[in-house]
Order: sequence, then structure tokens, then C-alpha cells
Amino acid sequence: DQQVKQNSPSLSVQEGRISILNCDYTNSMFDYFLWYKKYPAEGPTFLISISSIKDKNEDGRFTVFLNKSAKHLSLHIVPSQPGDSAVYFCAAHMNRDDKIIFGKGTRLHILP
Amino acid sequence: DTEVTQTPKHLVMGMTNKKSLKCEQHMGHRAMYWYKQKAKKPPELMFVYSYEKLSINESVPSRFSPECPNSSLLNLHLHALQPEDSALYLCASQPGVSSYNEQFFGPGTRLTVL
Repeated sequence: DQQVKQNSPSLSVQEGRISILNCDYTNSMFDYFLWYKKYPAEGPTFLISISSIKDKNEDGRFTVFLNKSAKHLSLHIVPSQPGDSAVYFCAAHMNRDDKIIFGKGTRLHILP
Repeated sequence: DTEVTQTPKHLVMGMTNKKSLKCEQHMGHRAMYWYKQKAKKPPELMFVYSYEKLSINESVPSRFSPECPNSSLLNLHLHALQPEDSALYLCASQPGVSSYNEQFFGPGTRLTVL
């Protein structure tokens, strides 16, 4: 059973607008969450993370929101730029195993 | 079946041992990846196989030797590893290499080199 779910396989957003990528999780033992960005034939690169004790973390154009009661997090990219077109992975860290569990990713396509 | 499986889950080996990690998927994906992940760091890409042929080798030391015997199976053969090679080794698959499709990650093998 998937513990980290990204239910939208793809998303298209106009350049300059806000991109919102969503992620749901099932395990309340995760202690922090991460977002990665991936281009084809490359490994994922780290974008931003959030501790389970916070509800928001911001870094430049990227903001991650965490709603623990709903077991939901989202990544906001404002304003969206053409170089943001990539696959975005949501991931969750389990302290007990020191393991990171990945979602399947959401393809973001920024339209000109 | 929409899973990537990896065996073993945990592996402890000495520096003179030879061992292998195994990854399997039955989704018909033609791109398979090996990543190495150290604690609290993003996964580092090691190898990419496309249609059972090695297409990317990210300057990985020869003590790591990948093998793709068929379209469902990916192995990573380990020999004469160093303690700094201790990490989580992740396998992933994707329909094709040059695509923005979802990538399916396996649960990983936790490797400890003594």
C-alpha cells in the first residue's frame, strides 16, 4: 500500500501563474517531508523540506505547506517559470528506519 | 502489479565479500535506475538502463557492477566495497528514459559495509 501518494500524474500551468502540487500520506510517524525535482535521465534534486512540527516553509519561489490533521502537503511555485517544467516528487522520512519513501511524481508542464 | 521490489531489505557485508542487490518490476517499464542515498541527502544517480542497455554511468567506481539480464530485472553486483559505500540503494523504473513520466521507486536495500 502506498504511504505517499501524488494523485495527479500531470499538471499544466501558465507561465507566471502559481503551480500547486499536492501530496497525501498515510503514516503519522513521518518526521519530515521533502520535495524533489527531476528532469528526464537525471537523478532527482532536492528542492525544499518541512519538519512535521511546522506548517509552512518558504524558500524563494517555493513554499511547502503541511496539514497534519489532513495528512496532506502541497508545494507552491510562484511565479511559475519555463525551467520549472519537470517531474516533482513528494517524499517522507521515517525516523525509525532512516528511510525516505517517495511518491510516484507529478509532471509539471509550464505553458508559454 | 505496480510495484518495484528490491531484495534484500538489509545487507551487511565485509570489504572482501561479493554480494548482489536485486530489483524487479513487471510494469513493462523500459528504463531502470540505480540510486545511492546517504542519510538525509537526496538520492545520487548511479546507473540508468534503457531497453536493457546501460545508457548512463555517473562515474561510479568499478566495485559496483550493474547488470540487466532482462526487461524486468536489474542487479547491482558489489565487490570489494568500502565502509563509505554504506548507504540506502534505491532502484526505480519508468516507462522510458526520455520522458517526464512518473518514476516508481522501490523500498531500497540498506547496505552496511564493515
